Amino acid sequence: QKEVEQDPGPLSVPEGAIVSLNCTYSNSAFQYFMWYRQYSRKGPELLMYTYSSGNKEDGRFTAQVDKSSKYISLFIRDSQPSDSATYLCALGQDGQNFVFGPGTRLSVLP
Amino acid sequence: GAVVSQHPSWVICKSGTSVKIECRSLDFQATTMFWYRQFPKQSLMLMATSNEGSKATYEQGVEKDKFLINHASLTLSTLTVTSAHPEDSSFYICSASALNVLTFGAGSRLTVL
Repeated sequence: QKEVEQDPGPLSVPEGAIVSLNCTYSNSAFQYFMWYRQYSRKGPELLMYTYSSGNKEDGRFTAQVDKSSKYISLFIRDSQPSDSATYLCALGQDGQNFVFGPGTRLSVLP
Repeated sequence: GAVVSQHPSWVICKSGTSVKIECRSLDFQATTMFWYRQFPKQSLMLMATSNEGSKATYEQGVEKDKFLINHASLTLSTLTVTSAHPEDSSFYICSASALNVLTFGAGSRLTVL
């Protein structure tokens, strides 16, 4: 079993839709949870991070963590064409060990 | 927030030459930096973990003599691709950890002719 599983996509949605991106993990030692957005030929950009179960909201983005189920999600409201990118979930353990999901490619169609 | 600067963003070199890529943490000290390689439409592949003042830890299958990593200060790590060949052409990305969160550089695209 891989350490992190992520919905592979690709995912295409119409502009204005709510997008749900999901990852599951197997190691309960992970304590830090991050979501990154990566545009083509660019480095990943940190969108959200959290280290507790529950929801964290920032503008149109909401990160959700359920440590008991080992499940994390990123919701994007009112999606825009500029949100078209690859989204990566990442988990950290102690500031030294990080693992990434394979990424979900999202296309928001105008 | 934490900022990581990576340079150059794009480099073209001839086969057999060496190329150095720099990764700097601009507003924080990074005892640990990470180097990744990414092929088109594929996920990040961790190459090595760079520790300030000590030797880098390479992932299995990554040639230490081909990809030289130096982390001489708390704000600078360098990756040198030695005797580059066309198969080394790729997108290289560095990152650094600050407060248990990873921040990435913008990446360096290497093309070896």
